[in-house]
Amino acid sequence: DVKVTQSSRYLVKRTGEKVFLECVQDMDHENMFWYRQDPGLGLRLIYFSYDVKMKEKGDIPEGYSVSREKKERFSLILESASTNQTSMYLCASTQARRGYGYTFGSGTRLTVV
Amino acid sequence: AQTVTQSQPEMSVQEAETVTLSCTYDTSESDYYLFWYKQPPSRQMILVIRQEAYKQQNATENRFSVNFQKAAKSFSLKISDSQLGDAAMYFCVFYGGATNKLIFGTGTLLAVQP
Repeated sequence: DVKVTQSSRYLVKRTGEKVFLECVQDMDHENMFWYRQDPGLGLRLIYFSYDVKMKEKGDIPEGYSVSREKKERFSLILESASTNQTSMYLCASTQARRGYGYTFGSGTRLTVV
Repeated sequence: AQTVTQSQPEMSVQEAETVTLSCTYDTSESDYYLFWYKQPPSRQMILVIRQEAYKQQNATENRFSVNFQKAAKSFSLKISDSQLGDAAMYFCVFYGGATNKLIFGTGTLLAVQP
């Protein structure tokens, strides 16, 4: 069964910490995405990547950065975590630039205290 | 810019009954896709059904069907013979245009009563 695996299901970090959220896919997909999910707001795109070492900003990139050194791994980085970054983070991947064929991870619920 | 609106934050249905979830969207594109995704408590986002805008026929997947009204920019999901396992958050999602990204609605939380 193909998978997108997020390293942590729950994470608690302190304000000001540098936080890494990891995502690994085993489908050899070219495209990977990081979303943030908040009640009443749906999912919002933070960053995405169409290839190794390539990245593009989504709708809400402020306060975040990403890294894609290998095709299967896409990391979301919070340089200095703040309480307003407390949220659910979902990773997704897809083979081609199209609307379907997305596979999502099970999410990381991050709490910043 | 494309937008997706789900005006029902929560809904409830009795087991074995039928429920319809509403979605409207706004776009100037002529070629696009619309989807309904389901997110159960496990958090795994699951594709329920897909509709291509150029197809007039409404998509159907077993107990799930859509009513796609392109001129009205409406895309509702009908769940027939509701089951306890249908309880989840449902997202209406748009894909199209130059942005090449999924645009999510705010979600409808569906409860299924036994």
